Amino acid sequence: NAGVTQTPKFRILKIGQSMTLQCTQDMNHNYMYWYRQDPGMGLKLIYYSVGAGITDKGEVPNGYNVSRSTTEDFPLRLELAAPSQTSVYFCASTGSSGPQHFGDGTRLSIL
Amino acid sequence: QKEVEQDPGPLSVPEGAIVSLNCTYSNSAFQYFMWYRQYSRKGPELLMYTYSSGNKEDGRFTAQVDKSSKYISLFIRDSQPSDSATYLCAMSKRGGANNLFFGTGTRLTVIP
Repeated sequence: NAGVTQTPKFRILKIGQSMTLQCTQDMNHNYMYWYRQDPGMGLKLIYYSVGAGITDKGEVPNGYNVSRSTTEDFPLRLELAAPSQTSVYFCASTGSSGPQHFGDGTRLSIL
Repeated sequence: QKEVEQDPGPLSVPEGAIVSLNCTYSNSAFQYFMWYRQYSRKGPELLMYTYSSGNKEDGRFTAQVDKSSKYISLFIRDSQPSDSATYLCAMSKRGGANNLFFGTGTRLTVIP
């Protein structure tokens, strides 16, 4: 089973560029999440979605946007990349009960 | 004050030792408690998932929750080099699709 798949695994951006981090899950989970993980800071919730067409802000949403057009996909977009967005980004999903399952992350550097 | 506090370590133990990892929290509304293991350059992998106070055992791993003290623990018996990873505690107010609050993680190294 693929579970939660994130692409790309690594990316380097220049300041001001934009990009989309992809996340897809094959478990038919309604709930999906985006986190960022910075050294010594733990995981912080950026955005989450409770189903197709429904998204909401987490703890650190500024500088990011999301969409949820299908159950399977939950892309995260950076419109104007800034050095403060250098981080490791994780996508997760869960059903109506049970814990969250994570992808292997996207390492993003902004120079 | 952070909602979840976790000693970042690092923690180094010899192979075969018993490892104790701990987290404290401040919000008494937390009901569901998790431990994730994260290998280098990988995503968090669920190890233990418990509800309310008490113990849960799974193989070499035991999770303990003491809600009266707002304290959770993960014990690893007969530790192996393959246990070397970062361990994250997480908790939520409700089960299932609910926002998680994470500790910062404890980095563990088991020395052969």
